[in-house]
Amino acid sequence: EVQLVESGGALVKPGGSLRLSCAASGFTFSNVWMSWVRQAPGKGLEWVGRVKSKIDGGTTDYAAPVKGRFSVSRDDSKNMMYLQMNSLKTEDTAVYYCTGTVGGRHFEYWGQGSLVTVSS
Amino acid sequence: EIVLTQSPGTLSLSPGERATLSCRASQSFSSAYLAWYQQKPGRAPKLLIYGASFRATGIPDRFSGSGSGTDFTLTISRLEPEDFAVYYCQQYNTSPPRYTFGQGTKLEIK
Repeated sequence: EVQLVESGGALVKPGGSLRLSCAASGFTFSNVWMSWVRQAPGKGLEWVGRVKSKIDGGTTDYAAPVKGRFSVSRDDSKNMMYLQMNSLKTEDTAVYYCTGTVGGRHFEYWGQGSLVTVSS
Repeated sequence: EIVLTQSPGTLSLSPGERATLSCRASQSFSSAYLAWYQQKPGRAPKLLIYGASFRATGIPDRFSGSGSGTDFTLTISRLEPEDFAVYYCQQYNTSPPRYTFGQGTKLEIK
C-alpha cells in the first residue's frame, strides 16, 4: 500500500523558517518525482515545488511565489522528501501535501497533509 | 503561463443524474498533460483521470474524461452519493516546468 506521511507542520512567525518532512512507503521511491502541493484555508490547490528522481537528474523546480525562499530535497536511502521553508510570509499559511508523480505529469500519490500557519 | 478556468463554480444535482464539468485553458496544450482530481472535505485530493481520458487505478467507469486543445470535460454518468465533492483540473507545462490547477468546481447535492 502506498503511503506518504507528512510531518513538521507548526505555527511560525513571519520571517521564520520551518522544515517539512515526507516519509514514503509502498512504492519504489527512488524512481518517482516528488512534489509539494499546498492549499490555503478554503482555497484551491497550488503546486509549490518538485524534485526529480536521481536517474532523471535529481533537479528541482519551484513555483514563482516560493522561488528563492523554499527548497525541496530528497534522501532516497531513507525514502524521505523535505521542504525547507525560509522567510515565511502570512500568505504561505496552508496545508502542505506531499505528492508523488510517476510520469511527471500528474500526482498519483498524496499524503494526508501538514498544516503550516504563519502568524504573529 | 497557462490559466485553467473551471465551470460552473458550483453544480447542484441529484443522485442518479449526469454531471458535466468543464475546464478551459487560456492556450492550447497536449491532452497528455491534463488531469482531474476529486477532493472531499478534510481529505487529500485523489487522482481520477490523467492524459485527459484515462481513468486512474480503481476509479469507477462512471467517471470519464474527454477533450483536447483548450477545452476539457469531466463527466460523471450517474451520480452516486459519494461523488459530491470538489473537482479540480490540472495541467503540466514542460518549459518552464510548472503545474497549474483550475480553481475547482463544487458538486453539491440538490
